[in-house]
Amino acid sequence: SAVISQKPSRDICQRGTSLTIQCQVDSQVTMMFWYRQQPGQSLTLIATANQGSEATYESGFVIDKFPISRPNLTFSTLTVSNMSPEDSSIYLCSVRGGNYGYTFGSGTRLTVV
Amino acid sequence: QQQVKQSPQSLIVQKGGISIINCAYENTAFDYFPWYQQFPGKGPALLIAIRPDVSEKKEGRFTISFNKSAKQFSLHIMDSQPGDSATYFCAATLYNQGGKLIFGQGTELSVKP
Repeated sequence: SAVISQKPSRDICQRGTSLTIQCQVDSQVTMMFWYRQQPGQSLTLIATANQGSEATYESGFVIDKFPISRPNLTFSTLTVSNMSPEDSSIYLCSVRGGNYGYTFGSGTRLTVV
Repeated sequence: QQQVKQSPQSLIVQKGGISIINCAYENTAFDYFPWYQQFPGKGPALLIAIRPDVSEKKEGRFTISFNKSAKQFSLHIMDSQPGDSATYFCAATLYNQGGKLIFGQGTELSVKP
């Protein structure tokens, strides 16, 4: 399965600022996904990012708040903009690989103060 | 119709016992049902998965039982060990349509020595 490197692993940010999270995959993949996992909760899909097209956002998530880039088949970024304490969560990227597998990065633990 | 409902929310099992986690879904078009294991500070890792044309799949101590008519599937962990203590998530997706993973709420498993 694909190996995902996600950076940073954790960060503490001031409210009103923005943080960009990077996701690097060791192989070319068509579909990449960004999830949010609030403390003690399940995973909620933010958006699907396919190379060469605009990201598709889920209900409740907007591009102005979570802009996504997908410049090539191995890399994507998610920016959390104008952060508030409610944005404190773990953010995870995921890719769809062969043999019906979806692989996840180790996540970015974000704390907004 | 896109929901996956998971129970119980938490589970305590003695070492050597059987852990059973249940999930139910509504969308009969789902065609891929994975289980993920997540340790604190880590991203979810694929544990085992099943397709709806199979009623059971076993990998080592982990077994998925799938009941298509009842729209339910479950994870059984035989001979549970303290190292199995983690959060488990079931999920479902329309894999053949390039679908996203829909996660259950998660089950926090604690295996007591």
